[in-house]
Amino acid sequence: GQSLEQPSEVTAVEGAIVQINCTYQTSGFYGLSWYQQHDGGAPTFLSYNALDGLEETGRFSSFLSRSDSYGYLLLQELQMKDSASYFCAVWEYGQNFVFGPGTRLSVLP
Amino acid sequence: KAGVTQTPRYLIKTRGQQVTLSCSPISGHRSVSWYQQTPGQGLQFLFEYFSETQRNKGNFPGRFSGRQFSNSRSEMNVSTLELGDSALYLCASSLEGRTETQYFGPGTRLLVL
Repeated sequence: GQSLEQPSEVTAVEGAIVQINCTYQTSGFYGLSWYQQHDGGAPTFLSYNALDGLEETGRFSSFLSRSDSYGYLLLQELQMKDSASYFCAVWEYGQNFVFGPGTRLSVLP
Repeated sequence: KAGVTQTPRYLIKTRGQQVTLSCSPISGHRSVSWYQQTPGQGLQFLFEYFSETQRNKGNFPGRFSGRQFSNSRSEMNVSTLELGDSALYLCASSLEGRTETQYFGPGTRLLVL
């Protein structure tokens, strides 16, 4: 089986840096993805880690450590528009895509 | 390029009825996946189609089925609707070999009364 865990909520202020963690249990996977979903909207792709290490895409960075079964999404220079839910997802062997429960990020002025 | 489109956007049905949802992927994307999103269970994978073949299936009862056409458009069918089927149904498309990057449509919100 597989499971992913994320904090349910995170709060930070504009301009700050926030890290959203994701721990997982899976029998094997190709990589870890991150998606953003605003209320009433569809998930949008943010980042993907196939290998251990850091991937940077603008203000967003994502990290994966397979040995620790752990990854995180780092958001820098937070803006109000970053208030949304963030999901980690593993692409499992056998082509099954499993999403975490999501972390609701609230950015305060 | 146009994004993923889903029709209808909203649907109200009663228990026991069946429903068909439609998804048109981004042009050139041959992989289409379907997900159910509810407040209690989150985003759950239903199935994936590639080149008209179901490539993978999640843990849902047989009442949930789908198909894909030669133009990559996909439909999802739910028969004998139950109250618990009320959810946002999301379709996502991706390029061959790039399953990790899924492009989601706006979803169909289904309410079963």
